[in-house]
Amino acid sequence: DAGITQSPRHKVTETGTPVTLRCHQTENHRYMYWYRQDPGHGLRLIHYSYGVKDTDKGEVSDGYSVSRSKTEDFLLTLESATSSQTSVYFCASHTSGDYNEQFFGPGTRLTVL
Amino acid sequence: KQEVTQIPAALSVPEGENLVLNCSFTDSAIYNLQWFRQDPGKGLTSLLLIQSSQREQTSGRLNASLDKSSGRSTLYIAASQPGDSATYLCAVAGGTSYGKLTFGQGTILTVHP
Repeated sequence: DAGITQSPRHKVTETGTPVTLRCHQTENHRYMYWYRQDPGHGLRLIHYSYGVKDTDKGEVSDGYSVSRSKTEDFLLTLESATSSQTSVYFCASHTSGDYNEQFFGPGTRLTVL
Repeated sequence: KQEVTQIPAALSVPEGENLVLNCSFTDSAIYNLQWFRQDPGKGLTSLLLIQSSQREQTSGRLNASLDKSSGRSTLYIAASQPGDSATYLCAVAGGTSYGKLTFGQGTILTVHP
């Protein structure tokens, strides 16, 4: 398995507070992604990165921002958390090239009260 | 907008049975299709990836096929075991070199002894 870690693994926070989730990969993968998983909606793409400082929006990007200052780290920030952002967040990555097999981290369970 | 549907939503079979999980997608302009396994409370584990130019991929007891023109993929599991119990997710990557995945809702598989 690819070396992808996420921190924290669990977090409980209150509405209106800022939250930052971290994804760290040791595979030197160029592409990184943040997804959220919710019952009834499945997994949906929030933001993605195609290189250092190169990011773009996914399907459900409202209320989220990302940053990537190093190849190995991709940060997801909720500027002001809302209860609708209670979810399980997954980070994923893959290398460039034809064989774009995507590898996922273990997930972060976020609860916004 | 790409939509991915998985049928059935849930499946319960006795140990030893061969089974087929189905995945369909609305836009045939895909780069690849990936099957994942997800155990409760865990991340996603990649099982098989099929490039758009391929018709099938095999790994052990798993065989995945792809018919891009009809927008269908199947995951065949031979000689099922209780350890195969999990949720199986199908995801397609759009027709670019980025791996932005669109996921189906998954099939919950239970294999009972």
